[in-house]
Amino acid sequence: DAGITQSPRHKVTETGTPVTLRCHQTENHRYMYWYRQDPGHGLRLIHYSYGVKDTDKGEVSDGYSVSRSKTEDFLLTLESATSSQTSVYFCAISESVVGADTQYFGPGTRLTVL
Amino acid sequence: AQTVTQSQPEMSVQEAETVTLSCTYDTSESDYYLFWYKQPPSRQMILVIRQEAYKQQNATENRFSVNFQKAAKSFSLKISDSQLGDAAMYFCAYRSAKLGKTSYDKVIFGPGTSLSVIP
Repeated sequence: DAGITQSPRHKVTETGTPVTLRCHQTENHRYMYWYRQDPGHGLRLIHYSYGVKDTDKGEVSDGYSVSRSKTEDFLLTLESATSSQTSVYFCAISESVVGADTQYFGPGTRLTVL
Repeated sequence: AQTVTQSQPEMSVQEAETVTLSCTYDTSESDYYLFWYKQPPSRQMILVIRQEAYKQQNATENRFSVNFQKAAKSFSLKISDSQLGDAAMYFCAYRSAKLGKTSYDKVIFGPGTSLSVIP
């Protein structure tokens, strides 16, 4: 298994509070991604990173920000959590974007916003 | 924009039998990759099989095989000799082989099919 961890694994928070989720990898892969998973939608990309301090928006980026100050860490921040952000969040990594490169996923974080 | 559709929200199969999960996609591109991911109750996303669009031969991984019909934009997954451990959500995914301005190619996931295996 690829060395990807996410913390916390579970979190319950209240509307309006800031929340930060952490993804840590030991594979030294350049590319990192944050997805959210909701019933009926599969996985949808929030933000991604193609290197240290290089990030860009995915298809559902509103209300989220990210930072990547080190190759191994990719942080996802909900500036002011809302109930619509209750979801399961997955981090993924990939070594490159060429060929049949595979994205490897972390174990997920279940976030509940009350 | 590319889309991925899985028309079967739920399916079930008897242990040791064969089941086929359907996936269709829409794209105007000619070069791309297709994947099937498995997500068991542990929530870990696991790559099951992948197919390069330029390859006519269908990919196979042990009990898992695909039926790739490029003209029909269909990519079904066949699981043979189903086992209890095959019970999971299965996601079909698409990725373009064309590099974007930031050299990122987005993976697009279908909504998933929940597979139950009956003992």
